[in-house]
Amino acid sequence: GESVGLHLPTLSVQEGDNSIINCAYSNSASDYFIWYKQESGKGPQFIIDIRSNMDKRQGQRVTVLLNKTVKHLSLQIAATQPGDSAVYFCAENWGTYKYIFGTGTRLKVLA
Amino acid sequence: DAGVTQSPTHLIKTRGQQVTLRCSPKSGHDTVSWYQQALGQGPQFIFQYYEEEERQRGNFPDRFSGHQFPNYSSELNVNALLLGDSALYLCASSNRGLGTEAFFGQGTRLTVV
Repeated sequence: GESVGLHLPTLSVQEGDNSIINCAYSNSASDYFIWYKQESGKGPQFIIDIRSNMDKRQGQRVTVLLNKTVKHLSLQIAATQPGDSAVYFCAENWGTYKYIFGTGTRLKVLA
Repeated sequence: DAGVTQSPTHLIKTRGQQVTLRCSPKSGHDTVSWYQQALGQGPQFIFQYYEEEERQRGNFPDRFSGHQFPNYSSELNVNALLLGDSALYLCASSNRGLGTEAFFGQGTRLTVV
């Protein structure tokens, strides 16, 4: 069925440490994946994306890794800051702009 | 650029009523997708509109319908509201031809009592 799941519902990290958020996806035919950040009371905000012909993509303080063999995505946030506290979703493309989201991981940054 | 705007921000309805939610896409975007996000869960795809037609649909009943206007704005209609329809309804816009990422609005919080 359509599903994108996450291994950890809540992740607590110390400020300044690196964070790693994991995600498993189900559709081996998916060619595009996105990470979104959602703060309380707001809509999801695009962080970074990756296409299936890539294994890694880097942005500002964020890196997404894609392992197609085991259908796994991860989001790495370097030097985590208090402003990074939010719920993070991975999403899988099941059609033109039809995204299937997981349930999310809550990231808590400890001072 | 105002980004994706949705109205109203909050809404309370009674079971059995009907509701209409509105979305104005980001400037330059021609595709609008609607999502339902229950508390503590990820957004679920409802349907998508492009060129004023429904192009894709998720696993939602016919009580959920929509419309896209020539200016690309869109409406989501829900008939015969159930308590379980209480959720945050998100609109996402994108440009089909450019293949850019989708931008989400702040959502409409619908509470059915």
